[in-house]
Amino acid sequence: DAKTTQPNSMESNEEEPVHLPCNHSTISGTDYIHWYRQLPSQGPEYVIHGLTSNVNNRMASLAIAEDRKSSTLILHRATLRDAAVYYCILRDDYKGGATNKLIFGTGTLLAVQP
Amino acid sequence: GAVVSQHPSRVICKSGTSVKIECRSLDFQATTMFWYRQFPKQSLMLMATSNEGSKATYEQGVEKDKFLINHASLTLSTLTVTSAHPEDSSFYICSASGTTTYEQYFGPGTRLTVT
Repeated sequence: DAKTTQPNSMESNEEEPVHLPCNHSTISGTDYIHWYRQLPSQGPEYVIHGLTSNVNNRMASLAIAEDRKSSTLILHRATLRDAAVYYCILRDDYKGGATNKLIFGTGTLLAVQP
Repeated sequence: GAVVSQHPSRVICKSGTSVKIECRSLDFQATTMFWYRQFPKQSLMLMATSNEGSKATYEQGVEKDKFLINHASLTLSTLTVTSAHPEDSSFYICSASGTTTYEQYFGPGTRLTVT
């Protein structure tokens, strides 16, 4: 499984945008970039995923570098409820899709200040 | 999104006893379910992958005779921690996915404490 590198922690102020970086220099052509987050004492939840193009959904945006060696999760207006650990995970979705396993790294602990 | 439940949410058991944790997909058919373990302030560690009707595939270092996984239906998987010891105390999380979905849906987790 290709490895990702994320900062251990980041801080943000409420109502401001947050950019969470992820490096994945050994990404393969069939690896999708997935983001999940885990709120305290809960199971993870899906945030967003993409392959090559930037993606937007109601939770966040995902900006993928042209060479795909890095990506950035963007929370447009952080709220206190966005305080969580954010995981950037690579998964080969071409065979099996979501039935393939997710391997979690250490993630980024996001603190949001009021 | 789809809902995955776990039962119980918390369990305390004595050393040497066995504990069963249930994972249910409530509104979709889960062809594949995953079991994770998470120690305090650490990331999730994948324990095993199970496909409905098949034997589970365990990750390296996970004892299959200690962590028994059954995935007998498309909506239910169980994890049994046999002869539990204090070092098995952890947060156990399941996830489920189907062939028509791209995301895994996670349960809320079960906190196991072995005394």
